[in-house]
Amino acid sequence: GENVEQHPSTLSVQEGDSAVIKCTYSDSASNYFPWYKQELGKRPQLIIDIRSNVGEKKDQRIAVTLNKTAKHFSLHITETQPEDSAVYFCAAKGGSYIPTFGRGTSLIVHP
Amino acid sequence: DAGVIQSPRHEVTEMGQEVTLRCKPISGHDYLFWYRQTMMRGLELLIYFNNNVPIDDSGMPEDRFSAKMPNASFSTLKIQPSEPRDSAVYFCASSFRTNFEAFFGQGTRLTVV
Repeated sequence: GENVEQHPSTLSVQEGDSAVIKCTYSDSASNYFPWYKQELGKRPQLIIDIRSNVGEKKDQRIAVTLNKTAKHFSLHITETQPEDSAVYFCAAKGGSYIPTFGRGTSLIVHP
Repeated sequence: DAGVIQSPRHEVTEMGQEVTLRCKPISGHDYLFWYRQTMMRGLELLIYFNNNVPIDDSGMPEDRFSAKMPNASFSTLKIQPSEPRDSAVYFCASSFRTNFEAFFGQGTRLTVV
């Protein structure tokens, strides 16, 4: 089945800096890559997703890039703010027809 | 729609007791997932249903865990007997076909003492 690796497990940045979270996947048939944000004590919620027919997608301060050849995708957050502090999960949907989640990255934005 | 609804939000039980977690998916969604979240193992998929039929339960850790979906608007996850290592946050999520966003419930925080 699909295997998703996510790095780093913890990321600490200063307010205003950029943050990058990287994920790799194993199933070359994967075609859908969502990113979820989970604030402390809350449920995971989708913040952005990308499908295999595009290489990059942006939504205000967040962007996701996909390299299908290398089988990796990344989340980029620019001009980070304290409210960006949360756990971020990447996921990949492959041949099993359900998303497989990475282990999560705890992002801490210091004011 | 109120979103995915889980109950209870918190459950504290003694080792050996039966625990039942409940989930009401978003109306019209045809996939339902049960996840377990711990610090050690992250977000683990336990089982998922498509049109009320269990498709893959390979993530269910032991025979002590069972899940049912008697109709399109209700699912349960049961642990019998419960053990302290079952302590975790259990999430239910639903989606309309797997290419679309999975909506998570608020989760049930289970503590087995």
